[in-house]
Amino acid sequence: DAGVIQSPRHEVTEMGQEVTLRCKPISGHDYLFWYRQTMMRGLELLIYFNNNVPIDDSGMPEDRFSAKMPNASFSTLKIQPSEPRDSAVYFCASSPGVGNTGELFFGEGSRLTVL
Amino acid sequence: AQSVTQLGSHVSVSEGALVLLRCNYSSSVPPYLFWYVQYPNQGLQLLLKYTSAATLVKGINGFEAEFKKSETSFHLTKPSAHMSDAAEYFCAVTSSSGGGADGLTFGKGTHLIIQP
Repeated sequence: DAGVIQSPRHEVTEMGQEVTLRCKPISGHDYLFWYRQTMMRGLELLIYFNNNVPIDDSGMPEDRFSAKMPNASFSTLKIQPSEPRDSAVYFCASSPGVGNTGELFFGEGSRLTVL
Repeated sequence: AQSVTQLGSHVSVSEGALVLLRCNYSSSVPPYLFWYVQYPNQGLQLLLKYTSAATLVKGINGFEAEFKKSETSFHLTKPSAHMSDAAEYFCAVTSSSGGGADGLTFGKGTHLIIQP
């Protein structure tokens, strides 16, 4: 079975540019989560969706960050404009709905470097 | 709200020695608890989870963890370390009352180093 698929795996961009990260969750999973990992702050939950609807975006650091889930098989995290402090690894994770015990299934991450 | 504290950002053990990674949690409701492992340049992989069944939980790669409510702990152990165990380990918590649907709160991680 295919796991969570993220793209791109690596992105290097210059300050001020728009960055779009993409995620395809596991088929049949109702929940999708975006996390950010940095050395200083560890793993932070940015936003999560249930059945394509954003439930909690309190972790989104600034208005420069936005996330969408237009359908059950695709989500994007956009940063516009990007800044050097946005450099991090961004993970997408999904989990099933009914009978969910909280286990998250993670993608391999998108490593973003903003110069 | 929940939180997790992992004691020791780095733990070094000799190959064949006992591995003990410490995790203490804070939760106002009964928790679900998890240990994940992250190898370099990879995502997080579930090692094991506690979801209010048996307090001693066995996971993959010979790891196990014991839920101790009185100590609010969920320490991860392995009797004999192997070189392939070198990785970053994360303890995580979520609320059982939400059916685990609120996302996981992670500790800062413990980097496990295996000495030959």
